[in-house]
Amino acid sequence: EVQLLESGGGLVQPGGSLRLSCAASGFTFSSYAMSWVRQAPGKGLEWVSIITGDDGSTYYADSVKGRFTISRDNSKNTLFLQMNSLRADDTAVYYCAKDYIVGPSAPPHFDYWGQGTLVTVSS
Amino acid sequence: DIVMTQAPLSSPVTLGQPASISCRSSQSLVHSDGNTYLSWLQQRPGQPPRLLIYKISNRFSGVPDRFSGSGAGTDFTLKISRVEAEDVGVYYCMQSTQFLRTFGQGTKVEIK
Repeated sequence: EVQLLESGGGLVQPGGSLRLSCAASGFTFSSYAMSWVRQAPGKGLEWVSIITGDDGSTYYADSVKGRFTISRDNSKNTLFLQMNSLRADDTAVYYCAKDYIVGPSAPPHFDYWGQGTLVTVSS
Repeated sequence: DIVMTQAPLSSPVTLGQPASISCRSSQSLVHSDGNTYLSWLQQRPGQPPRLLIYKISNRFSGVPDRFSGSGAGTDFTLKISRVEAEDVGVYYCMQSTQFLRTFGQGTKVEIK
């Protein structure tokens, strides 16, 4: 059974930092790209960042570029999101999601999501 | 970035009646591998998103057959043939053709 479990959220002051983790199980983690998606209170879904499974390439939404860093530890089946220079508008529930795998079969993207971890940026 | 535009943003529906949601992308979602990575997700209140449809029209495991997806290129549709009470929630289209993934604004489906 595929499971994704986020942790690391909490209350942080503007300008502060936080590191989120996502522990994965039930699939070959190293083979899959993984994404972070966030949802501000009462708002829609916003994609944040992706890290590929094959070569570890990373991409970011413009809203977080230069402040957030996505990484992964394939030996521990864990995805990370380092968030620096946090702002009030970064307040959201952050979800990790299983993304794509390179190959001819093209299985579904975003087929599994974690329950999310809440990040609140406030003084 | 690809902009995803959904309509309507709110859809009051009578139980047992159909519902339809439109999604339009600002550019073609056809990937260089020939696939079109357009998905539909459902988010029930207080829950994480759940994948319903992938690659335009493929139902994900466990999704009832009253949900169907269609479309091509830049225009896509999600249809619910007969709305049930458990279908209440917000529905999002999303593209994963480009590395910079993007979501539609969401369509709230509620019972009249």
